[in-house]
Amino acid sequence: KAGVTQTPRYLIKTRGQQVTLSCSPISGHRSVSWYQQTPGQGLQFLFEYFSETQRNKGNFPGRFSGRQFSNSRSEMNVSTLELGDSALYLCASSLTPWGGVGYTFGSGTRLTVV
Amino acid sequence: TQLLEQSPQFLSIQEGENLTVYCNSSSVFSSLQWYRQEPGEGPVLLVTVVTGGEVKKLKRLTFQFGDARKDSSLHITAAQPGDTGLYLCADGRNRDDKIIFGKGTRLHILP
Repeated sequence: KAGVTQTPRYLIKTRGQQVTLSCSPISGHRSVSWYQQTPGQGLQFLFEYFSETQRNKGNFPGRFSGRQFSNSRSEMNVSTLELGDSALYLCASSLTPWGGVGYTFGSGTRLTVV
Repeated sequence: TQLLEQSPQFLSIQEGENLTVYCNSSSVFSSLQWYRQEPGEGPVLLVTVVTGGEVKKLKRLTFQFGDARKDSSLHITAAQPGDTGLYLCADGRNRDDKIIFGKGTRLHILP
C-alpha cells in the first residue's frame, strides 16, 4: 500500500515568486490536511480538504491556498513568497474528515525562500 | 484556543536509560495521539488513546492517558539510538474541528 507522496521534496524560491506543492494521499483516503512546520512554531494547521471541499482553514494569510481534485490528490499554492514562508510543508491523509483516528503524513516538502 | 504543552523540550540521555516525556492540554482531549518524527521525514503515528486512565504499550514504549483526559505521558524503557527523534502529541479533534499539535520533545539517545 503506497504511502502519502509529496512532491517535490526540496524547493528553493526567491522572494515574490509563487510555488505549488503536490500531495497524493493513501488510496481510499479522501481527507487531506496541510501543515507548516517551523522550529519556532511547530506544526501549524493550514487547511483540510475532504471530497474536494475545504472543510477547515487555519490562521494563515490569503497568499496560502489549496485545492483537492476528484482523485483526492491535493495541491497547495503560496503566492508572493516571503522569507518567513521557509518551512517544511507536510501533507497528511486520513480516512475520516478530521483524522480522529490519526494521520498518515508524507515526508514533506522543504521550501527555502531566499 | 487549546494549547498543548510538551516537556521537556529537549532530552539527551545514554542508551539503556529510561525516560518519560509529558504532554499537557489546557482543555480536555477529544482523542490523544502520539507521533514520532525523524529528521527529514514526516511524523509517524505511534498510538491513539481515547479513554481516561488508558494505558497502551508498544514494545518498549508505554503511553498513559490521565484520568481527567488533560494530560499524557510517554515512557521509554531501555532507550536505543533508534528512538531518537521528535515526539509530538496531538489532540485528534479539538473544538475547532482540526488536529492541533504540541511543539514536541526532541529526544537524542547517545550510543
